[in-house]
Amino acid sequence: DGGITQSPKYLFRKEGQNVTLSCEQNLNHDAMYWYRQDPGQGLRLIYYSQIVNDFQKGDIAEGYSVSREKKESFPLTVTSAQKNPTAFYLCASNIGDPRAEAFFGQGTRLTVV
Amino acid sequence: QKEVEQDPGPLSVPEGAIVSLNCTYSNSAFQYFMWYRQYSRKGPELLMYTYSSGNKEDGRFTAQVDKSSKYISLFIRDSQPSDSATYLCAMVYSSASKIIFGSGTRLSIRP
Repeated sequence: DGGITQSPKYLFRKEGQNVTLSCEQNLNHDAMYWYRQDPGQGLRLIYYSQIVNDFQKGDIAEGYSVSREKKESFPLTVTSAQKNPTAFYLCASNIGDPRAEAFFGQGTRLTVV
Repeated sequence: QKEVEQDPGPLSVPEGAIVSLNCTYSNSAFQYFMWYRQYSRKGPELLMYTYSSGNKEDGRFTAQVDKSSKYISLFIRDSQPSDSATYLCAMVYSSASKIIFGSGTRLSIRP
């Protein structure tokens, strides 16, 4: 089955720790995106990548980092510099045009304890 | 002011009712409009896509765009409990740089 897989589904982090969220797709999509979803705020773009070994900051990139070493994979690291990391994180991919349908993973809920 | 405004709800209606979900936007450069549906604890999925003013119908769903008023709507006819979800409007500029999402409206259909 083609799709996007995010792991883990739930993640708990202690303050001051870095954590990495996994996102893998087998849709052969060029573009991948990371969004953060908070109640009442919709989806906010963290980082996106339109090609391997290249990525751009979105609207709320501070405190996050990404890599795109393989077309299929786009991991997101939430660093200790992110002041309020507790949120629902969504990974998406598409053919590379924002007008094209975006396919989303099931999300990772990160909680700082 | 947010680029895209969407009433967060929650909106609760009885089964069989007609539902109207709305978004307004401020920038006339938005040319492509989408509605995504998100079930609880899941990722959003594309429901409707349109790029012109007027209505587009798909089964029980109708997407309406009024570019002169900068207003888009999603109508659901004969609503079912399975329609209970959060509905997110999304828009793309004519320059196709990125997608801007609304905050989402949480909808509940009562049996």
